Amino acid sequence: ETGVTQTPRHLVMGMTNKKSLKCEQHLGHNAMYWYKQSAKKPLELMFVYNFKEQTENNSVPSRFSPECPNSSHLFLHLHTLQPEDSALYLCASSQEGGQDEQFFGPGTRLTVL
Amino acid sequence: GDSVTQMEGPVTLSEEACLTINCTYTATGYPSLFWYVQYPGEGLQLLLKATKADDKGSNKGFEATYRKETTSFHLEKGSVQVSDSAVYFCAFTPGANNLFFGTGTRLTVIP
Repeated sequence: ETGVTQTPRHLVMGMTNKKSLKCEQHLGHNAMYWYKQSAKKPLELMFVYNFKEQTENNSVPSRFSPECPNSSHLFLHLHTLQPEDSALYLCASSQEGGQDEQFFGPGTRLTVL
Repeated sequence: GDSVTQMEGPVTLSEEACLTINCTYTATGYPSLFWYVQYPGEGLQLLLKATKADDKGSNKGFEATYRKETTSFHLEKGSVQVSDSAVYFCAFTPGANNLFFGTGTRLTVIP
């Protein structure tokens, strides 16, 4: 595997379910990101991890809980989501934070029923 | 606050037509500017970037020039191909860990 991978690619869940999104990067990067992509809205940065430490949390509701056990893996734990949380969730990584180029995974298409 | 304003789509062009997608930004300081492209079913890929005023980024026949005086970074290509059909995102980073994106412009190129 190369680049940034995300699993699952598609996920349908009910509002009472608990699920997790997984991201893995094979680029030796030290920063990882979660973004939310909704139709007709700019990409929204959700969380940033730099050297496994969370450095950014853009007022994301607590029903989204990130976890970064090491610099290669990033998870987004989901619980009691709302239908408006349906979106494409993109993971990205970069060598460091700051102005480094970010490399994106293919995303997880999430549908909340 | 910091933001990106990008030309709304969708844009439909015939093959070999010229493309311009406008992008302007609002930021303090000296941000780095980017164009990302998202092909169907894929994540975003960096298309080109410029890190200082008057720099020109280029890749795959696409170009964009960092214009500080007009705070713009318009994407141009002289002759588009069907394979260029995708969604194009203008973005900038003022530093730190924040990358601000525009809403995206969907381009469809027809044979």
